[in-house]
Amino acid sequence: ETGVTQTPRHLVMGMTNKKSLKCEQHLGHNAMYWYKQSAKKPLELMFVYSLEERVENNSVPSRFSPECPNSSHLFLHLHTLQPEDSALYLCASSPSGTSRTGSSNYEQYFGPGTRLTVT
Amino acid sequence: GQNIDQPTEMTATEGAIVQINCTYQTSGFNGLFWYQQHAGEAPTFLSYNVLDGLEEKGRFSSFLSRSKGYSYLLLKELQMKDSASYLCAVRDQGAGNNRKLIWGLGTSLAVNP
Repeated sequence: ETGVTQTPRHLVMGMTNKKSLKCEQHLGHNAMYWYKQSAKKPLELMFVYSLEERVENNSVPSRFSPECPNSSHLFLHLHTLQPEDSALYLCASSPSGTSRTGSSNYEQYFGPGTRLTVT
Repeated sequence: GQNIDQPTEMTATEGAIVQINCTYQTSGFNGLFWYQQHAGEAPTFLSYNVLDGLEEKGRFSSFLSRSKGYSYLLLKELQMKDSASYLCAVRDQGAGNNRKLIWGLGTSLAVNP
């Protein structure tokens, strides 16, 4: 248990459906992330939110729409997905900002992921 | 370009020692992480190196050489539960600590009895 929860754990959706993935962190962190993990590919960073402001958007198709209503919650809204979007979607959180020493480990804590299958 | 290389698969015997290597070529460097990921589970943090040298944490140690763009994760007294994928990730240069991590493909380690 890492303090980051994701729902649902498994999702099967058709290409015309609209669904949302939810992530919640109980660690008091200020930064949250969405990653896509596909077989035989490195973890792909999709979005980063810091203090509820989107600070990174890695050329993700518009059929993926993130939302961060507060520092504890992160959503990924899905619509008109393609079969190649089938993957494990991981949420993570970490502290944000710069320490006085200018560097810190500030590792990311991951949720268990949502296994998404697009049919 | 940004590139992280690590072996795809490794096998080892219970009780033995295994070293998983990671080499990187990135435009910036602000620390290197190792994560463990069991099948179907979330990656969990193992170690962090930002200065050259060895960081030891129980059965696991991690080494970094910034001049060589090289790190390794050393696992001692292997146990069956250490069978997992081990991910190497480099944090990009920049202000703030929510900087982008560049990930390797992971090394799938199988520990045999």
